[in-house]
Amino acid sequence: GESVGLHLPTLSVQEGDNSIINCAYSNSASDYFIWYKQESGKGPQFIIDIRSNMDKRQGQRVTVLLNKTVKHLSLQIAATQPGDSAVYFCAEKKTAGNKLTFGGGTRVLVKP
Amino acid sequence: NAGVTQTPKFRVLKTGQSMTLLCAQDMNHEYMYWYRQDPGMGLRLIHYSVGEGTTAKGEVPDGYNVSRLKKQNFLLGLESAAPSQTSVYFCASSSNWVFRDRGRISNQPQHFGDGTRLSIL
Repeated sequence: GESVGLHLPTLSVQEGDNSIINCAYSNSASDYFIWYKQESGKGPQFIIDIRSNMDKRQGQRVTVLLNKTVKHLSLQIAATQPGDSAVYFCAEKKTAGNKLTFGGGTRVLVKP
Repeated sequence: NAGVTQTPKFRVLKTGQSMTLLCAQDMNHEYMYWYRQDPGMGLRLIHYSVGEGTTAKGEVPDGYNVSRLKKQNFLLGLESAAPSQTSVYFCASSSNWVFRDRGRISNQPQHFGDGTRLSIL
């Protein structure tokens, strides 16, 4: 079916280590992918996005990798900080349409 | 620049009552969306709008109605609230998905409000 899902519901990481959050998608027609961060009591906050004609995009301390062959998306956070503790969602957009489909979310807990 | 503002932030209703959630954006975005978020789940699209005066159904539209009379506002209505509608509701807005600038094409992400926590007893 058409869905976006995550492999790990909770990820515990030591402060200063790198974090990798994974996401699998099943719709090969999707052409745009986004990672959002959601802190407790807040709305999702845009982190980084990537189009399907790219396989890697870097931001400040974050990198998104897209593997269209296996329909896999990942978010890498370098030197994870306590402020990175949140729930992270991946989302995909199909080529035709303006709607996003969200995954179930991964909670990242940063240990001091 | 407030971005996306949702009111109210919290509300408790009795079964059968009606209410309207208001979403306002000051970014001149064409597209607006209403989602609900339930524990342990991602966001599910209720209704959306691609412009003033237009609305469309999303993934879970039953029990909700929407209106987009002004470009900056998107209203979500519950005509007869049910306990199954207890949730956190998020509004989002975005510019056109394909933005052309000097020949470059880029998509525009959705910007979210901080949510309305709705409990129906």
